[in-house]
Amino acid sequence: AAGVIQSPRHLIKEKRETATLKCYPIPRHDTVYWYQQGPGQDPQFLISFYEKMQSDKGSIPDRFSAQQFSDYHSELNMSSLELGDSALYFCASSFRLAGGSAPHEQFFGPGTRLTVL
Amino acid sequence: AQTVTQSQPEMSVQEAETVTLSCTYDTSESDYYLFWYKQPPSRQMILVIRQEAYKQQNATENRFSVNFQKAAKSFSLKISDSQLGDAAMYFCAYRSTLGADGLTFGKGTHLIIQP
Repeated sequence: AAGVIQSPRHLIKEKRETATLKCYPIPRHDTVYWYQQGPGQDPQFLISFYEKMQSDKGSIPDRFSAQQFSDYHSELNMSSLELGDSALYFCASSFRLAGGSAPHEQFFGPGTRLTVL
Repeated sequence: AQTVTQSQPEMSVQEAETVTLSCTYDTSESDYYLFWYKQPPSRQMILVIRQEAYKQQNATENRFSVNFQKAAKSFSLKISDSQLGDAAMYFCAYRSTLGADGLTFGKGTHLIIQP
């Protein structure tokens, strides 16, 4: 079965640089979620999109932005990178039940490991 | 805001034995979803089992089952016949049904399987 695809899998950046992470959801999934997992930490929810509109916002820094495109893939843009942004970034996807009610399960991608030097 | 607490940072069990991982949560909502995710060394997040709060029956998936106590806000995971491949971090997670999409995770329990 097709899974969530994230690219790149690994990324190394310098402080103050920018980074763009991409997420391709499971086919027919219309909702994507972004999570950040620091070393030894639990995943923290950043933001989600449903049908190309932001549907929920968590602890996403102002330096980060995200969007979902017409083909449902999503990109997380990170600017002015800091050492503390070094983490594993997960994208997850799901599909809404009929009527747009909240989905049950989120399927996670393999993650993008971002290292900021 | 909801919180999820996993009070066992690490658990160890002999292969083929049974182990129970604890999870408690705090919420004022009456309807919600609870999940257990497994994160092996590969760091992939794998859904193990889910429970809808409106269902009284405990969810079961093969060797994995939960003990859901809604009044006590407790959601423990039992792994029967533990296998070496079960070694991983296990995260308990909560999701609201009231429009909030993001999962709230506990700090995780590191499960060690001893051969």
